[in-house]
Amino acid sequence: KAGVTQTPRYLIKTRGQQVTLSCSPISGHRSVSWYQQTPGQGLQFLFEYFSETQRNKGNFPGRFSGRQFSNSRSEMNVSTLELGDSALYLCASSSTTGGETQYFGPGTRLLVL
Amino acid sequence: LAKTTQPISMDSYEGQEVNITCSHNNIATNDYITWYQQFPSQGPRFIIQGYKTKVTNEVASLFIPADRKSSTLSLPRVSLSDTAVYYCLVAGGYQLTFGKGTKLSVIP
Repeated sequence: KAGVTQTPRYLIKTRGQQVTLSCSPISGHRSVSWYQQTPGQGLQFLFEYFSETQRNKGNFPGRFSGRQFSNSRSEMNVSTLELGDSALYLCASSSTTGGETQYFGPGTRLLVL
Repeated sequence: LAKTTQPISMDSYEGQEVNITCSHNNIATNDYITWYQQFPSQGPRFIIQGYKTKVTNEVASLFIPADRKSSTLSLPRVSLSDTAVYYCLVAGGYQLTFGKGTKLSVIP
């Protein structure tokens, strides 16, 4: 079974731009969660989607948004990029919502200049 | 959400058994304990999960005492490829809260 895939793997943007990241979960998984990882803050939860509905949201500003499609694929959007948004963005999928085992993708490395 | 505390770093020689202990004093009744492994620039990888007593799989063992306020991940006979950051998580809700993790360095 194919794992979680994320595109693109690397991205360079400038301040003020917006970016959209994509995540395809493991086949059959309906839950997709997004995390931001930086050296200073570690891994931080952004939000989780299950069956196209946002189930939970972390403590991030409204510039960070997401959505999930009927095929469970998910996108994350960051508007008005700031230098501090430079990070590794990780997507994880699970068969159910809640604290079940999550399977992580390789991540998208975003650099904001 | 229960907070976890782990050692920041550990060193071990190849071939030794490594035990990483995590404390989670405020664990809730329905929380599971899960350990993940992460290599640089990669997503975390699930290692093992348990609720109480002992769980063993092909890569690790997880020991959980009766009060469940701590847990110990045991890696038998580590190799250089086990050098990574190991995260202990306690979760029963929607999100996983990662702590700082334990950076394990395996020395030849």
